[in-house]
Amino acid sequence: RKEVEQDPGPFNVPEGATVAFNCTYSNSASQSFFWYRQDCRKEPKLLMSVYSSGNEDGRFTAQLNRASQYISLLIRDSKLSDSATYLCVVWGGSTLGRLYFGRGTQLTVWP
Amino acid sequence: GAGVSQSPSNKVTEKGKDVELRCDPISGHTALYWYRQSLGQGLEFLIYFQGNSAPDKSGLPSDRFSAERTGGSVSTLTIQRTQQEDSAVYLCASSLQGWQYFGPGTRLTVT
Repeated sequence: RKEVEQDPGPFNVPEGATVAFNCTYSNSASQSFFWYRQDCRKEPKLLMSVYSSGNEDGRFTAQLNRASQYISLLIRDSKLSDSATYLCVVWGGSTLGRLYFGRGTQLTVWP
Repeated sequence: GAGVSQSPSNKVTEKGKDVELRCDPISGHTALYWYRQSLGQGLEFLIYFQGNSAPDKSGLPSDRFSAERTGGSVSTLTIQRTQQEDSAVYLCASSLQGWQYFGPGTRLTVT
C-alpha cells in the first residue's frame, strides 16, 4: 500500500470556484504534513503545513484528521494562477525523516 | 546561494555512457534527497541522506545508480551505463526539519 494516496484529478474549475483536494496516509506514526505545489515543468514548492487544528493562509485552508489519517486542502475564489499540481506530503512515515509524496492532484482553473 | 542548486540543468547523453549529477543543498540543511520525475508522473524517491547516518538507498532502481554526499554537503548522483528509461528530471531537495526545498532539477535525456 502506498504511503500517501491522492485523487490525481484532473480538476477543471472556473475562476472564483471553491475546490477541495483530499489525501490519505497509511502510517499512523506520521508526524508532519504538508501541501506542495508544482507548476508545469518546475520543481515542487512548499505551499503550507497542515496542523491538526486546521490552518488558513489567505484563500487556502488545510485540515488534518489524525483519526481518519486524512488531509485536505480547500482553495476558495480560485484564480487562474492556482492552476498547478498539488502534492500531499507526509513526514515521518515508515522511515523517520523521510518525506512521502502523493502523486499529486492536477488543477486547472479556466476563465 | 539562498536555495538548492543543481548542475547541469540539462544533460543529453548516449545510451551506455555514465553521467554525474550534482546537488548543492542549502547551507546547514542536514538532510538531502534525490528524486526523479518522468514526464507527467509523480515524484519517485531515490535516496536520502541524513547527517552522518547511513543513507536510505531503498529507492534506487538498480545497481547502476549510486549517490554520495561529501562532507555532509554536496551530493553527486551517478548513473552508470545509462539506458533510455533513465530519461527523466532528477530533483534534489534538502531540509532541516521536515520542510523540504527543491532544486530546479537536471533534465536527463538518454539517446
